[in-house]
Amino acid sequence: AIQLTQSPSSLSASVGDRVTITCRASQGISSALAWYQQKPGMAPKRLIYDASSLESGVPSSLSGSGFGTDFTLTISSLQPEDFATYYCQQYYNFPLTFGGGTKVDIK
Amino acid sequence: QVQLVESGGDVVQPGRSLRLSCAASGFTFSSYGMHWVRQAPGKGLEWVAAISYDGTNKWYIDSVKGRFTISRDNSRSTLYLQMNSLRPEDTALYYCAKRADIAHQTLDYWGQGTLLTVSS
Repeated sequence: AIQLTQSPSSLSASVGDRVTITCRASQGISSALAWYQQKPGMAPKRLIYDASSLESGVPSSLSGSGFGTDFTLTISSLQPEDFATYYCQQYYNFPLTFGGGTKVDIK
Repeated sequence: QVQLVESGGDVVQPGRSLRLSCAASGFTFSSYGMHWVRQAPGKGLEWVAAISYDGTNKWYIDSVKGRFTISRDNSRSTLYLQMNSLRPEDTALYYCAKRADIAHQTLDYWGQGTLLTVSS
């Protein structure tokens, strides 16, 4: 199974900060990577697919990049609603796998 | 609007069986693959199983192969997960989720989950 390693596992940031989360795959997955946001007590929400395509309705302050094994999720200016846990997911092959998550909380 | 409503979660003893259900509405259920994803308390997401739109293809994570069976009833717009030989490590919130489209095995809609606790 393809392993996804996210870093950092948690970070503290302030409103307005630029935040970058990385996701590294154990083998090349082309651009078959999605990012999800999960808030406490809620189901995950898809943010990005195909490594860089923004889900409809997701603010443009979020962006994704990468190809092959290294991917990033960037929030250009952190807003209060962005404090959450973020997961990457590969869909290059089965079994689908998720990264371990990155919790973004308020500094 | 798309709705996915899971049910069937319970507290069960190790070794027992349970079936989860997911009632879908707001989209053409028979046109989309469906997934089960679980989340142990305080932990991350773990994909469990998937089924193709017509039920002919199924995929599982290794840890549930031979114990869990995913199925669907397109006439009832319902997804199922039959879980046998349950273990304490199966304890989790189980989400059903809809495949986004034919090109992407990503999950664009999720239910709110149903909680399974396996404990003696």
